[in-house]
Amino acid sequence: DGGITQSPKYLFRKEGQNVTLSCEQNLNHDAMYWYRQDPGQGLRLIYYSQIVNDFQKGDIAEGYSVSREKKESFPLTVTSAQKNPTAFYLCASSIVAGAYNEQFFGPGTRLTVL
Amino acid sequence: KQEVTQIPAALSVPEGENLVLNCSFTDSAIYNLQWFRQDPGKGLTSLLLIQSSQREQTSGRLNASLDKSSGRSTLYIAASQPGDSATYLCAVLNTDKLIFGTGTRLQVFP
Repeated sequence: DGGITQSPKYLFRKEGQNVTLSCEQNLNHDAMYWYRQDPGQGLRLIYYSQIVNDFQKGDIAEGYSVSREKKESFPLTVTSAQKNPTAFYLCASSIVAGAYNEQFFGPGTRLTVL
Repeated sequence: KQEVTQIPAALSVPEGENLVLNCSFTDSAIYNLQWFRQDPGKGLTSLLLIQSSQREQTSGRLNASLDKSSGRSTLYIAASQPGDSATYLCAVLNTDKLIFGTGTRLQVFP
């Protein structure tokens, strides 16, 4: 089955801890994205990567970090510097970044700070 | 700065009705527009993608139209069913980024 997987489905973090959210795709897509969704708000872009070993900040990158060492994987680390990390996190991918390309989404990870 | 607005925010209708969901955007310089469906606690499912050069796309009971010059898109759902109950999101692609609206929460009751 081709698709995007995210793990874990639920994640609990104590204040001051860093946590890493996993995103893997087997669609052979070059571009991958991380979004954050809060109740009553649209999705907001955190980071995106157009190709391996390259990534760019989105609109709300502060307190987050990413890596893109493999084409299939784009993990997101939520650091202790992120003041309000409780949210639903969604990973997406597209064949290439930019025009004309449809984005496909994973099932999401819900992060809660205790 | 691109802003995307969806009206109405919520909609509750009886089964069988034909529905229109609205999406408006402030900057007409878009590459494409996507409509997504999101079930509670789940990821997004892509429904339709309209390229900037297209006027509409159809998939089954769904039809999406795009009027770039006026900054509007509509999603038409024919003969609604309880299984259509979900939140519907539209998003426009500016350069490398998708900009999302806040969604329309649809409930179709039997």
